[in-house]
Amino acid sequence: DAGVIQSPRHEVTEMGQEVTLRCKPISGHNSLFWYRQTMMRGLELLIYFNNNVPIDDSGMPEDRFSAKMPNASFSTLKIQPSEPRDSAVYFCASRSGQPTEAFFGQGTRLTVV
Amino acid sequence: KNQVEQSPQSLIILEGKNCTLQCNYTVSPFSNLRWYKQDTGRGPVSLTIMTFSENTKSNGRYTATLDADTKQSSLHITASQLSDSASYICVVTDQGAQKLVFGQGTRLTINP
Repeated sequence: DAGVIQSPRHEVTEMGQEVTLRCKPISGHNSLFWYRQTMMRGLELLIYFNNNVPIDDSGMPEDRFSAKMPNASFSTLKIQPSEPRDSAVYFCASRSGQPTEAFFGQGTRLTVV
Repeated sequence: KNQVEQSPQSLIILEGKNCTLQCNYTVSPFSNLRWYKQDTGRGPVSLTIMTFSENTKSNGRYTATLDADTKQSSLHITASQLSDSASYICVVTDQGAQKLVFGQGTRLTINP
C-alpha cells in the first residue's frame, strides 16, 4: 500500500485565490482526518470524517475553509479566499477504527503570499 | 479543556546517550495514548500506542510508559542515534469525542 497520498506537496498562491488540497486515504480505512501544523500552534485537527460523513468540523477556523469526502477514496480541503495566515503544512491522516493508529500523509506545505 | 503538555520543548544530547521525554494530559475520558515521531518535512509516524490498562510498551530503542492515575506518560530513548533527531509528539484520544488531542511536541536533536 502506498500509504496516505496528498497532493500537491507544495503550493504557493496569492492572497485571495482559491486553494484545493487533496487526499487519498489508505484503502479500507473508514476514518479520515485533516490537520494543520504551524510552529506556533503545533498540530490542530480541522475536521474528521467517518465513513465519508463529517463527524466533527469544530476545528475548521472559519467559513473560508470547507472539506468534502465524496467517496471512501478521496477527500478535499478547500480554502476560498486564501489569506497569508493560512500558510501552514496541512496533513491528511486515515485510520481503521479505534484504537488503531492513524497514518499520516506527507503533508502539503501551503504558502499564501 | 482537554490538553496535552509535553516537556521539554527542545532537547539536545550527544549520540549514544539516553533521554526521556515527558507528556502530561488532562484528557478525560481517556481512550489511548500514542507517541509519534515526526522527521522534518514529513508526516508523523506512530512509535507506540497504549490503552488504559498498559503501563509500558517498547518499540526497539523506544520505550513508552503510562501512568493513567497521574495522567503522565514518558518516552525513553536508549542509545540515541543521529536518526533519532526529530519532533516527538504525544497524542491522547478523547474517548468521548473520539478526537486525537496533540501535544506541542519535543524537538530532539542528536549531536555527533
